[in-house]
Amino acid sequence: KAGVTQTPRYLIKTRGQQVTLSCSPISGHRSVSWYQQTPGQGLQFLFEYFSETQRNKGNFPGRFSGRQFSNSRSEMNVSTLELGDSALYLCASMLAGAVTQYFGPGTRLTVL
Amino acid sequence: DQQVKQNSPSLSVQEGRISILNCDYTNSMFDYFLWYKKYPAEGPTFLISISSIKDKNEDGRFTVFLNKSAKHLSLHIVPSQPGDSAVYFCAASASEFGNEKLTFGTGTRLTIIP
Repeated sequence: KAGVTQTPRYLIKTRGQQVTLSCSPISGHRSVSWYQQTPGQGLQFLFEYFSETQRNKGNFPGRFSGRQFSNSRSEMNVSTLELGDSALYLCASMLAGAVTQYFGPGTRLTVL
Repeated sequence: DQQVKQNSPSLSVQEGRISILNCDYTNSMFDYFLWYKKYPAEGPTFLISISSIKDKNEDGRFTVFLNKSAKHLSLHIVPSQPGDSAVYFCAASASEFGNEKLTFGTGTRLTIIP
C-alpha cells in the first residue's frame, strides 16, 4: 500500500504571499491531520478533516485553513505569509475509529 | 504550556546496549500514547503505542512502559543498533478531545555509537 504523499516537497515564498500544500492519504484512510514542525516548538497540531468536514482545530490564526475533497485528499492554505511560518508541514492520515496516525514526508516551506 | 515533555534533548548509547527514552505528561485526560521515530528530511514513522489501560507493550526490540500515577512513559530499545539513530517523539491523545489530535513532545535525538 502506498504511504501518505505530500506535494510539493520544498517551497520558497516571500512575505505576504499565500501558499497551498497538498496531501494524499493512505488508501482507505478518511482522516487527514496537519501539523507544523519548527525547531523551537516541535510538532504542533493545525487541524483535522474527516469526510470533508473539519473535526478538530489547533491554536493557529485564521490565516491557516484547509479543506478535504471527496476522495479524502486534503489541501492546506496559508495566506499572508510571515517569516515565522517557515517550517516543515506534515500531513498524517488515519483509519476511521483508529488511534494511530501515519505521516507523509512533509513540505518544507521557507518564507523570505 | 507544554503538556508532553521530553526533558532530554539528546542521548548517546553504545551499540548493543539499552536505550531508554523518557517522556512526561501533565494532562490526565490523555489515554493513548505513541512513539514516533524521525530521520532528517522524512516524516515521523510510527514505532509503538500504548493505551492507558495497559502498563507495558512490546514489539520486537521496542518496549513502552506507562506509569499513570507518575504521568510518565518510557521507550526501551534493546539491543540498540546504528540504524536506531534518529529523533524520537513521544505523542499523546485523548478520546475526549479526539484521537486525531496528537500532542507531541519536543523530541530526543538518539545517537548510537558503534
